[in-house]
Amino acid sequence: DAKTTQPTSMDCAEGRAANLPCNHSTISGNEYVYWYRQIHSQGPQYIIHGLKNNETNEMASLIITEDRKSSTLILPHATLRDTAVYYCIVRAVMYSGGGADGLTFGKGTHLIIQP
Amino acid sequence: DGGITQSPKYLFRKEGQNVTLSCEQNLNHDAMYWYRQDPGQGLRLIYYSQIVNDFQKGDIAEGYSVSREKKESFPLTVTSAQKNPTAFYLCASSLIPGSYYNEQFFGPGTRLTVL
Repeated sequence: DAKTTQPTSMDCAEGRAANLPCNHSTISGNEYVYWYRQIHSQGPQYIIHGLKNNETNEMASLIITEDRKSSTLILPHATLRDTAVYYCIVRAVMYSGGGADGLTFGKGTHLIIQP
Repeated sequence: DGGITQSPKYLFRKEGQNVTLSCEQNLNHDAMYWYRQDPGQGLRLIYYSQIVNDFQKGDIAEGYSVSREKKESFPLTVTSAQKNPTAFYLCASSLIPGSYYNEQFFGPGTRLTVL
């Protein structure tokens, strides 16, 4: 799986959009970008994933650059409950059903929402 | 409610004792995973299982053992051979191994302290 680089920490004001960057310059064609977050002392929570098109769900938006070497997770209206560590993960997909090895979590970005 | 349960939330053991961590899911997921997390670090994969009676080592399997006798259960034993067992242990499951979706659902974790 390709390596990802994320800032160690970021601050964002409550109510503003939080934009979390991720670099994955060695991503290959069959690798998806996944985002998870982990609130302190809890299990990680899936947020969103994408291949090359921008994606949006009820939690966030994912913007992937055209060359797929970087992406940005956007939380449109951050709240205090969004304070967490956010993990960007690049993962190959094998449609044959193999490759059930787990996800590789780096240190992520600690997002702190300020009141 | 559907989900993953891990028990207990906090566990204390004396050095040299084996200890088994419980993980149960009622999501009817095929794949299950065990991760370890040390303070300030990301998650590292210990073991994973795609189907009943089958499991594979992850990145840090030494000193650990697992079993998968039932689809809904994937207990992890931390043996006395594990040199630094004090950590936060997370169990996860996913619906279809290797699928493009690959969302993993995590349990609340067990914090193991070896005295």
